[in-house]
Parts: sequence; structure tokens; C-alpha cells
Amino acid sequence: QKEVEQDPGPLSVPEGAIVSLNCTYSNSAFQYFMWYRQYSRKGPELLMYTYSSGNKEDGRFTAQVDKSSKYISLFIRDSQPSDSATYLCAMSANTGNQFYFGTGTSLTVIP
Amino acid sequence: SAVISQKPSRDICQRGTSLTIQCQVDSQVTMMFWYRQQPGQSLTLIATANQGSEATYESGFVIDKFPISRPNLTFSTLTVSNMSPEDSSIYLCSVVRYEGAFFGQGTRLTVV
Repeated sequence: QKEVEQDPGPLSVPEGAIVSLNCTYSNSAFQYFMWYRQYSRKGPELLMYTYSSGNKEDGRFTAQVDKSSKYISLFIRDSQPSDSATYLCAMSANTGNQFYFGTGTSLTVIP
Repeated sequence: SAVISQKPSRDICQRGTSLTIQCQVDSQVTMMFWYRQQPGQSLTLIATANQGSEATYESGFVIDKFPISRPNLTFSTLTVSNMSPEDSSIYLCSVVRYEGAFFGQGTRLTVV
């Protein structure tokens, strides 16, 4: 079983839609959860960082962590064509330890 | 955050040759990480580079194939040696801050 599972998509939505991206994981020791956005031919860019369970909001982006279900989500409100990218989840037991990444979900927002 | 400069951004290489990728960080860090990202795959950690000691390699990666240098606290290189088409991938360096892991722009390597 992979440490982190993420549906690769692709996901295609109309502009203005709410996007939901999800990952599941198997290691209950994970405490740090991150979402990255990666444009084509670019390195991953950190979008959201959360510690333990709960919600975190930053502009149009909301990250949710449910440690009891080993499930994390990223919501994008009022999606824009510029949000078209691959989104990767990542997690770690400790910031000094190895990070484990999902395979990424390809998102296209259609104008 | 962290500013990470990685070069080259891309290269096309002949099989059997070697390519050295450079990574420069804007501040001192103890550990630097090298990842490989193959098409449709998640990021795979190749090795962790510590200044002043040998790099630590993950299962499936060996020093002869991926030698790493770490001459100081802001710089590291990864060499992909004796390349084959299977080495075609994106290679990324990364550092960790309190708020997460940060990446360079990546090196897109194509081996022909």
C-alpha cells in the first residue's frame, strides 16, 4: 500500500466552480500536511500548510485535515483558468523527516 | 519560504554521458533533498545531502549512479551518471523550512 494515495484525474471544471481535491494516507504518524501547485515545466509551489487536524483558509483556498479518517482535502472556490495546474498533496511525520507525496491531480479550469 | 535556484532547467543528453545539476539556496540549510519526478508519478526521494558528510540514499538509488556533493550550507550538486533513457525525468532539489518543503524549478532531463 502506498503511503499516500491521490486520484490523478484529470479533473476539468468550468470557471467559477468549487474544486475539491483529496488525498488519503496510511501512516497515522503524519502530522504535517501540505498542498502544492505545479505548473507545467515548473517546480512545485507550496500553497497550504497545516499541522494536525482542522481547517485552514487562505483566500480562495481551504485545506482540511481529518486525521481520524486519514483524509485531507483542498478546496478551491471561484476557480480561475490560472488555477489550471497539477496539485500535489504531501505529508510528513516531522518537518525534519522525509516528505511523502501524492501522484498529483491534474486540474483544468475552462473559461 | 526559500529561494532555490536550480540549473540547468532542461537538457537533452546522449546515453552513456553524465549531467551535473546544481542547486543554490538563498540561506544556509543543514539538509538538502534531491527528488525525481517521472511522468505521472509522485516525487521520489533520491537522497538527502548533509553538509560535511556522505549523502544518504534511498532504496533503489546508489552513489555510483547519483553522486552528490555538498560543499557548503547553501549549495549542492546531483550528478546523473552513465545515463540511459530510463533516467529521463524531472530532477528537483528541495529544502525544508518550518512551514514546509520548498523546491527549485526542476531540471527536465531527456536522454536520447
